[in-house]
Amino acid sequence: AQSVTQLGSHVSVSEGALVLLRCNYSSSVPPYLFWYVQYPNQGLQLLLKYTTGATLVKGINGFEAEFKKSETSFHLTKPSAHMSDAAEYFCAVSDLDTDKLIFGTGTRLQVFP
Amino acid sequence: KAGVTQTPRYLIKTRGQQVTLSCSPISGHRSVSWYQQTPGQGLQFLFEYFSETQRNKGNFPGRFSGRQFSNSRSEMNVSTLELGDSALYLCASSLVWGLYTDTQYFGPGTRLTVL
Repeated sequence: AQSVTQLGSHVSVSEGALVLLRCNYSSSVPPYLFWYVQYPNQGLQLLLKYTTGATLVKGINGFEAEFKKSETSFHLTKPSAHMSDAAEYFCAVSDLDTDKLIFGTGTRLQVFP
Repeated sequence: KAGVTQTPRYLIKTRGQQVTLSCSPISGHRSVSWYQQTPGQGLQFLFEYFSETQRNKGNFPGRFSGRQFSNSRSEMNVSTLELGDSALYLCASSLVWGLYTDTQYFGPGTRLTVL
């Protein structure tokens, strides 16, 4: 069965610094990959997704992620953090056998002024 | 275009009671999925409905059930509530069924507290 690992339950950066949130999946078959963001007291919002094609995926709010098959990774980055980026971020992978989305445990991003 | 709406937003129940949560998908979306989110277990898939039929189900006891109406609105029911059922219940809608083929749009959730 598919699994997703998000390294670091909490990440803190200064405003203007690079944001790097890590996600690794377990699959020998390239899956579909997603990053979602959750702001306090809200549902999840899709940031970006990878299905096929270009391995560098650009999403909303200046975020992007690169699918690296050799590393089974799909890390999320943003060149310059903004205070409004403070939220919880979830990586998710499709499990084609069960037709389910498997979510990671989430990474809470804090941005300091 | 209105997003996914969930009612109520907050709910307090006591052990042994039952509860019904409602989800209205984005107009035109025919698939509705339900998730349970807790600090300990994270996001866990409950079930997915498409065209009034349950298409997929997660690993939850039979106390958790759902249904979908002809207008795609969905309800989720939890009977004989336990303390561990306290969670944020999220609903998501998409155009078609198959969780990996289409983007899911999430509602704000219903926060259920069981005392």
